[in-house]
Amino acid sequence: QKEVEQNSGPLSVPEGAIASLNCTYSDRVSQSFFWYRQYSGKSPELIMSIYSNGDKEDGRFTAQLNKASQYVSLLIRDSQPSDSATYLCAVNDSGGSNYKLTFGKGTLLTVNP
Amino acid sequence: DAGVIQSPRHEVTEMGQEVTLRCKPISGHDYLFWYRQTMMRGLELLIYFNNNVPIDDSGMPEDRFSAKMPNASFSTLKIQPSEPRDSAVYFCASSFWGVTLYEQYFGPGTRLTVT
Repeated sequence: QKEVEQNSGPLSVPEGAIASLNCTYSDRVSQSFFWYRQYSGKSPELIMSIYSNGDKEDGRFTAQLNKASQYVSLLIRDSQPSDSATYLCAVNDSGGSNYKLTFGKGTLLTVNP
Repeated sequence: DAGVIQSPRHEVTEMGQEVTLRCKPISGHDYLFWYRQTMMRGLELLIYFNNNVPIDDSGMPEDRFSAKMPNASFSTLKIQPSEPRDSAVYFCASSFWGVTLYEQYFGPGTRLTVT
């Protein structure tokens, strides 16, 4: 059973702080990793993708991948109240011709003004 | 560009009734995915299509669920008969072959309530 695990939270940070969201996955052959943001009552929105070990930065967001440890994280710098949402980690099951994504249950982030 | 379109946005029905959910993927996308989201189980993939052909339906919970994609711009997910445990938000997502193949774009969802 392929699994993607996230701390359900809630994670509460003050405005301007760095929010750190973590995700572990069980399938060692997974090759593609994604972070989606989901506001309450809305659909998931893709915010970051990462395919190789290391860091990938996009604005205030940085995704970090460590395949040896089967760990992917998302850092949000200068957190804003508008960042308050549930963040879903998603993993491509096995790469190649398999296009399925397995999602974690999400971490609820609250940024306090 | 228009995103993924789903209808209806909300559906309330009684147990035993047939429910049909509809999806129009982003133009040019050749992969279409149906998901179900609940608090207990999170976001689960039900089935996905490539070029209108079902590729993997291993997530379809039981025979009461069926999905079709008669053309590149339309797909349906049908539940017959519906049961209260089918109550959830159903999302459709699409993607296209290429470097960003695995990046999926979600529609607004259909919130289904079965009483």
